[in-house]
Amino acid sequence: AQSVTQLGSHVSVSEGALVLLRCNYSSSVPPYLFWYVQYPNQGLQLLLKYTSAATLVKGINGFEAEFKKSETSFHLTKPSAHMSDAAEYFCAVSVAQAGTALIFGKGTTLSVSS
Amino acid sequence: DTAVSQTPKYLVTQMGNDKSIKCEQNLGHDTMYWYKQDSKKFLKIMFSYNNKELIINETVPNRFSPKSPDKAHLNLHINSLELGDSAVYFCASSQAGTGNSEQYFGPGTRLTVT
Repeated sequence: AQSVTQLGSHVSVSEGALVLLRCNYSSSVPPYLFWYVQYPNQGLQLLLKYTSAATLVKGINGFEAEFKKSETSFHLTKPSAHMSDAAEYFCAVSVAQAGTALIFGKGTTLSVSS
Repeated sequence: DTAVSQTPKYLVTQMGNDKSIKCEQNLGHDTMYWYKQDSKKFLKIMFSYNNKELIINETVPNRFSPKSPDKAHLNLHINSLELGDSAVYFCASSQAGTGNSEQYFGPGTRLTVT
């Protein structure tokens, strides 16, 4: 079975500061890992995904994440936060299987102050 | 053009009623999903369909019945609505649901049962 743990339900940063959102996964088989963002009253949008190609994955809006198998982690980072980054962020895991669903973490709310 | 659309966006109804939520995708994907997001923003898979065939049917009450008339549509019918059904329901789709494919989410339907 697969699971995801997001450490920190709420992260607050200042504009221009480093953003670090933590995600640890558990999977009995090689996982696929995703980060999605949800803006208020909207659906989810994919930021980036890891599918076993490169361990450092670059996504949209300046975000990136590094897959570390030894630490079972897939933390999301951005060097400099913008006000527009304030949103809910979800880490998710899936495995190679037809019709497989995403297993989501509980989400992290990112607040950005000026 | 909207990739994944849902109707209605908001649904307010009374306990005991029957309601349906419609989902359509114009991406040519062959796999579609229903997720439920509760009041704490936790997202959980309910169903997935691959080529109109039910693949995942998580532990949800049998009052919930998905129907896929074709690959582009996946509707959700809910009988005898209960207060606990209040949530945001997201439809999603992906290509060749092999686990590493990006899932595209609709804007969500906020269901409120009074």
